[in-house]
Amino acid sequence: DQQVKQNSPSLSVQEGRISILNCDYTNSMFDYFLWYKKYPAEGPTFLISISSIKDKNEDGRFTVFLNKSAKHLSLHIVPSQPGDSAVYFCAASARNYGQNFVFGPGTRLSVLP
Amino acid sequence: DAGVIQSPRHEVTEMGQEVTLRCKPISGHNSLFWYRQTMMRGLELLIYFNNNVPIDDSGMPEDRFSAKMPNASFSTLKIQPSEPRDSAVYFCASSLRTLGGEQYFGPGTRLTVT
Repeated sequence: DQQVKQNSPSLSVQEGRISILNCDYTNSMFDYFLWYKKYPAEGPTFLISISSIKDKNEDGRFTVFLNKSAKHLSLHIVPSQPGDSAVYFCAASARNYGQNFVFGPGTRLSVLP
Repeated sequence: DAGVIQSPRHEVTEMGQEVTLRCKPISGHNSLFWYRQTMMRGLELLIYFNNNVPIDDSGMPEDRFSAKMPNASFSTLKIQPSEPRDSAVYFCASSLRTLGGEQYFGPGTRLTVT
């Protein structure tokens, strides 16, 4: 039973265009969300986070949107660059309930030059 | 800071052998996490420590798996005896906060059990 789902295993986007990566969750107690990026042969690296008290968080080219009623969050990358090609993991935590992070299966993003 | 350090980076062993994976967390971090990544199950949390004390080991798959953190700068994950289905990439991560804090991952150990 996957509590965090990333239904698109892969995504291809042209350089300069917007990349939208989606994540759905089932546990309504989740109150904190992270996105990680992972290159081959490296560990995941933190990208951006959002708390459930917000619906948007922006950091440079990266914006995360949270829709609590739909239990859905998305990561927007604008403009996409070839260096963004990686696997992106969504992670959710129920901090206030003492639960640690649950990771989604990941989406492989390919940004084509 | 050198980040989270894991060793070895690659391990190939035969079924039935003991395997020990090692991790050095970032200095000053008080929480340490062991994850396993497989194609089938993605990234799974195996166990985590807070101030060197195991807090939740519910993700440890079987008694063949054990983890220790004898001090703030070192942890081990041991599999004894190893089986082919244990083949995966094992990540160690550390954090300043136990719950909900950003975790910093090591490069992982790719384990192959033949």
